[in-house]
Amino acid sequence: QKEVEQNSGPLSVPEGAIASLNCTYSDRGSQSFFWYRQYSGKSPELIMFIYSNGDKEDGRFTAQLNKASQYVSLLIRDSQPSDSATYLCAPRGSQGNLIFGKGTKLSVKP
Amino acid sequence: GAGVSQSPRYKVAKRGQDVALRCDPISGHVSLFWYQQALGQGPEFLTYFQNEAQLDKSGLPSDRFFAERPEGSVSTLKIQRTQQEDSAVYLCASSLDGSRGFLENIQYFGAGTRLSVL
Repeated sequence: QKEVEQNSGPLSVPEGAIASLNCTYSDRGSQSFFWYRQYSGKSPELIMFIYSNGDKEDGRFTAQLNKASQYVSLLIRDSQPSDSATYLCAPRGSQGNLIFGKGTKLSVKP
Repeated sequence: GAGVSQSPRYKVAKRGQDVALRCDPISGHVSLFWYQQALGQGPEFLTYFQNEAQLDKSGLPSDRFFAERPEGSVSTLKIQRTQQEDSAVYLCASSLDGSRGFLENIQYFGAGTRLSVL
């Protein structure tokens, strides 16, 4: 059973702080990893993807990947109340499907 | 916009009824995926199409679930004899080509169909 583990939260951070979201996965064959944001009642929207070990930065977002440790993280700098949502970690499976964790609920307090 | 379109947005069914959920992917997208998302959970994979070929249906929970994509474009997910445990949001996603490189793998999701079985 391929598994993706995320802390369900809620993770509460003050506005302007750094939010750190973590994810571990069991399938060593996964080569690419996706972070989706999902607002309540809405569909997932892609935030970032990463496939090489190390860091990848895009604006206020940084994704980090360590394949040896089977660990992926997402950092959100200068967190805004509009970042309040559930963040879903999703490694890509061998058939191309995404394997989602349960998500971490982030709350950014003004 | 030319995003993934799903219909209906909401469906209420009586237990035992059959339902059909429709997905219209982004034009030109070869790969199409169906996911089921229960309340408070992440989406779970149901099935995957590459053009009209159903390459993986390992996530379909029972033989009451059936999906098709006869012309390689629009897809329909059919649930026969619905049960209360089928109540969930059904998400459809498409990508340029799930068999190729990383950029072509990016999946774009529709708004989903919320199914409630009474």
